Parts: sequence; C-alpha cells; structure tokens
Amino acid sequence: GAVVSQHPSWVICKSGTSVKIECRSLDFQATTMFWYRQFPKKSLMLMATSNEGSKATYEQGVEKDKFLINHASLTLSTLTVTSAHPEDSSFYICSAVQGSGNTIYFGEGSWLTVV
Amino acid sequence: QQQVKQSPQSLIVQKGGISIINCAYENTAFDYFPWYQQFPGKGPALLIAIRPDVSEKKEGRFTISFNKSAKQFSLHIMDSQPGDSATYFCAASSGRGSTLGRLYFGRGTQLTVWP
Repeated sequence: GAVVSQHPSWVICKSGTSVKIECRSLDFQATTMFWYRQFPKKSLMLMATSNEGSKATYEQGVEKDKFLINHASLTLSTLTVTSAHPEDSSFYICSAVQGSGNTIYFGEGSWLTVV
Repeated sequence: QQQVKQSPQSLIVQKGGISIINCAYENTAFDYFPWYQQFPGKGPALLIAIRPDVSEKKEGRFTISFNKSAKQFSLHIMDSQPGDSATYFCAASSGRGSTLGRLYFGRGTQLTVWP
C-alpha cells in the first residue's frame, strides 16, 4: 500500500537553531501535502498546505516565516522550523493526498524537542 | 468552529464487546469520511473510510455507518481486543478545488479495551 515517510522520527535541537523535517511519498506522487502539529492527548492541528511548485498556504495563526515549507518535487515536502524555541517542541505530522483526493495517508510523525 | 464533532472523548470496553464512536458534521460539501487509529508516539493510520453514496462499509471487525440526512457517521469495532486500545479520530474532507485533501478532524476518542 501507499506509504508516507517522515524523517527524522525524532530530533533534539538547541534554542535558536533551525531544524528540517522531510516528508516523502514513497510509491505515489503527491501534488499536495499537509503539515500538522499535535500536542499530547490532542487532535491534529493543520498548520499549512504544501503544493508542489507553489507557495504553501498557511492556516491562520501559523507564522510562515517561522515554519518554512518547501514542496520541491512531487514526492517531497519539507518543514523547516527556524530559530526554534522550547514552545515549538511538539509532534509534527505530514500527510499526502494520493490520486485525485481519494485517499489521504499520514507519515509516522516527527518528535521535535527544543532545549 | 469545530467542523467535525466526535464523542465520546473516552471509552472503556471489555474484551469481546462492541466499541462505538460517533461523529457529526455540518458542511454538506464533505464527501470523504475516514477514520484514523493512532497509537502513542505514532502517526495516524487510516483504518477505514466511506463516501456518502453508501450507508455502511465493513472491513473485518470495523464498520462505518453513515447517515447522510442526519450528517452523522459512526465507527463500530466488533469483538474489541486489547490491541485495539488507541486513540481514534474521525475526519471529513471535501474533494473539491482548493480544499482537496484537507482533513477536518474530530477531537479524538481514547479507547481502552480491558482484557
């Protein structure tokens, strides 16, 4: 079946540094990917929609200069958390749309801890 | 505004029993209703999904019941097992235009199946 891969699974970084998370669709092309953030015992919160070859669309309240999204190819989207702070520590999850929106698959998620 | 409302927040079921989780939506443009299962520290995994042209879909022990007129859908887990203990999220999406693939999630249901 379709698989979406995220890397790294977990990362620890120092305050003020930047960290990049990759989201890959392994056996299908995805013109659209989504980035979510999830706090413990909470639902997924959509951060932005990543479109291949164009600028990402951010949800209200999400800082686009802090959470940089690049969708450089039909199988890869990246989320870069710039100048990370402890409050950015969270579980980040991506999803990819297969086909004409028939099915949406999620990655395994990436744990970010900022110390 | 919560586009998809999910209940109950938590559910405790004995092994072999039936687990039932309910969701309701308002937006009649929604045409894809997936359920996701999430284990601690992992990304959501697609469990089963339904479209509005059918009223029920069954895959193994998992069944979605869909009531278009009431704008409600539910997940039934038959013969619940301890391994089913996880958080379950319902979601809804519209496969049209700019919202293609954008999922609106319920708040989640923490299911515990006692042996």
